[in-house]
Amino acid sequence: AQTVTQSQPEMSVQEAETVTLSCTYDTSENNYYLFWYKQPPSRQMILVIRQEAYKQQNATENRFSVNFQKAAKSFSLKISDSQLGDTAMYFCAFMTGSGDKIIFGKGTRLHILP
Amino acid sequence: EAGVVQSPRYKIIEKKQPVAFWCNPISGHNTLYWYLQNLGQGPELLIRYENEEAVDDSQLPKDRFSAERLKGVDSTLKIQPAELGDSAVYLCASSLEVGGPGTQYFGPGTRLLVL
Repeated sequence: AQTVTQSQPEMSVQEAETVTLSCTYDTSENNYYLFWYKQPPSRQMILVIRQEAYKQQNATENRFSVNFQKAAKSFSLKISDSQLGDTAMYFCAFMTGSGDKIIFGKGTRLHILP
Repeated sequence: EAGVVQSPRYKIIEKKQPVAFWCNPISGHNTLYWYLQNLGQGPELLIRYENEEAVDDSQLPKDRFSAERLKGVDSTLKIQPAELGDSAVYLCASSLEVGGPGTQYFGPGTRLLVL
């Protein structure tokens, strides 16, 4: 069975700093997808970044980038030049290639301090 | 473009009462998901629809939960009877792709409190 583990329940960093959120997963699948979702307080969840397992190149999206280590089954999210609006819960998610299994981690609550 | 719409946003009921949640996905999105999100936890999939077919309902407690997606557009999730432990946020999401790892777009959720 697939699992997703986020080992940091809560983190705080100063505005403009860089922060890295950790995510590890376990699967026997070779074809799968990984996602980071952001859920701001009292607001809906939105996609931050997505990584296809067959791609070696790490995905980037403006200030957000991932470090995808397939052999280690690790998928961390780096936020550069953090902003107050980055304050949110961040969820790592795994999906099988066929889309028939979707599993979310328990989340990391990130606070960006002024 | 309108996002995923859910109603009601909040619901308070007494235990043993029935409750229903409604979701309207983004226009043209064929796959629809219902999730349960407990406080401080990640979403847990309850049911996934591809068009009008429920392709994965293995995590849906079928003794009290039911769902439907008539005509493959909007969907309703029902709980009857509700229990105290059902207090949570119920999220609906949709994606364009069918049978693949499409990006999911989430609604704002329905926050249920069972007293």
